[in-house]
Amino acid sequence: GQNIDQPTEMTATEGAIVQINCTYQTSGFNGLFWYQQHAGEAPTFLSYNVLDGLEEKGRFSSFLSRSKGYSYLLLKELQMKDSASYLCAAMDSNYQLIWGAGTKLIIKP
Amino acid sequence: ETGVTQTPRHLVMGMTNKKSLKCEQHLGHNAMYWYKQSAKKPLELMFVYSLEERVENNSVPSRFSPECPNSSHLFLHLHTLQPEDSALYLCASSQDIGDPADTIYFGEGSWLTVV
Repeated sequence: GQNIDQPTEMTATEGAIVQINCTYQTSGFNGLFWYQQHAGEAPTFLSYNVLDGLEEKGRFSSFLSRSKGYSYLLLKELQMKDSASYLCAAMDSNYQLIWGAGTKLIIKP
Repeated sequence: ETGVTQTPRHLVMGMTNKKSLKCEQHLGHNAMYWYKQSAKKPLELMFVYSLEERVENNSVPSRFSPECPNSSHLFLHLHTLQPEDSALYLCASSQDIGDPADTIYFGEGSWLTVV
């Protein structure tokens, strides 16, 4: 079956770095997405990876290893506003998004 | 104003009621989606519309009935729901379906409580 695994919750300190991991198993693969969702708000797009490697976008970076079925989202210089849930999703060969349950990130001062 | 607007934001309904959720997108997209989000569970895709035609129905109970009168509007009609249907219902849109490079834009969701 198709599956996405990511940690349920993580805690980090303001100003630090945190890495949120995601492993996926899909029938075919058309890319890996990360979304951010603040409590009570809409999920918003963060990144899309389809080739192996690291994509950097400001304080956020996303990494993909297709051979390992693995991705991570790296958040640097953490700010209190980064407290949110981070959703990992992989697109299968039918262009369907398979979603993880999300990782709730708690930032402490 | 966000690109995808959902109303109402909160809804409490009894199991015998009939209500509807409304979604409107202002992005000129051709595809619209309904997702269900339950606590600590992955997003569940319920329905997909492309140019007002339903292209996906993921074994959703018939007590949920979608309607897409035009490419900007999407409704989810609800009747005789069960308490386990209580969740956040998210509407989303994208330029088209089947293109991984297309970003999906979500609305803020409608919180549904069935009592």
